[in-house]
Amino acid sequence: GAVVSQHPSRVICKSGTSVKIECRSLDFQATTMFWYRQFPKKSLMLMATSNEGSKATYEQGVEKDKFLINHASLTLSTLTVTSAHPEDSSFYICSAGDSQETQYFGPGTRLLVL
Amino acid sequence: KQEVTQIPAALSVPEGENLVLNCSFTDSAIYNLQWFRQDPGKGLTSLLLIQSSQREQTSGRLNASLDKSSGRSTLYIAASQPGDSATYLCAVRMDSSYKLIFGSGTRLLVRP
Repeated sequence: GAVVSQHPSRVICKSGTSVKIECRSLDFQATTMFWYRQFPKKSLMLMATSNEGSKATYEQGVEKDKFLINHASLTLSTLTVTSAHPEDSSFYICSAGDSQETQYFGPGTRLLVL
Repeated sequence: KQEVTQIPAALSVPEGENLVLNCSFTDSAIYNLQWFRQDPGKGLTSLLLIQSSQREQTSGRLNASLDKSSGRSTLYIAASQPGDSATYLCAVRMDSSYKLIFGSGTRLLVRP
């Protein structure tokens, strides 16, 4: 089956720094990728939809200048958390859609901001 | 605005028991509904996907049903095993745009 990877799997950073998370579709091309955020024991909240070659579409309440998304190729999307603060600590999951409109999820990235 | 609710939030059962997880949604005009499994600190694994025109889907010990008119879906797990312990999430897709709306999940613990 299709595989989506995320890197890094865990990251700890200091408050005020920026962190980049990569999401890759390993064996298929994904014109659309999604970024989700998950708080402990909570469900996934869609942050933004990333389309290759165009600007991301952000969900209501998500700061686009805070969470920068780049989808430069059909296999890679990146999420950069800028000027991270402790409240940004969370589990971030990406997913990628294939040509059959099926979403495949990455393993997630645990971010801890000190 | 579509809202997806899962009941119960947590469930603990002895091994071997059959169980049902519930998912409800407020807007019945869904494109499809999907059940996922999430292990602690991990991503999501798709279990079953039901198209809006379907009533149920089966995979091994899992059976998912869909009643669009009443806005409900159930995931039936037969002969539960400790390895089934995980969080189960349902998600609905409203149109052909890929976007999924997730429920809050049911945390299942199957005791040996």
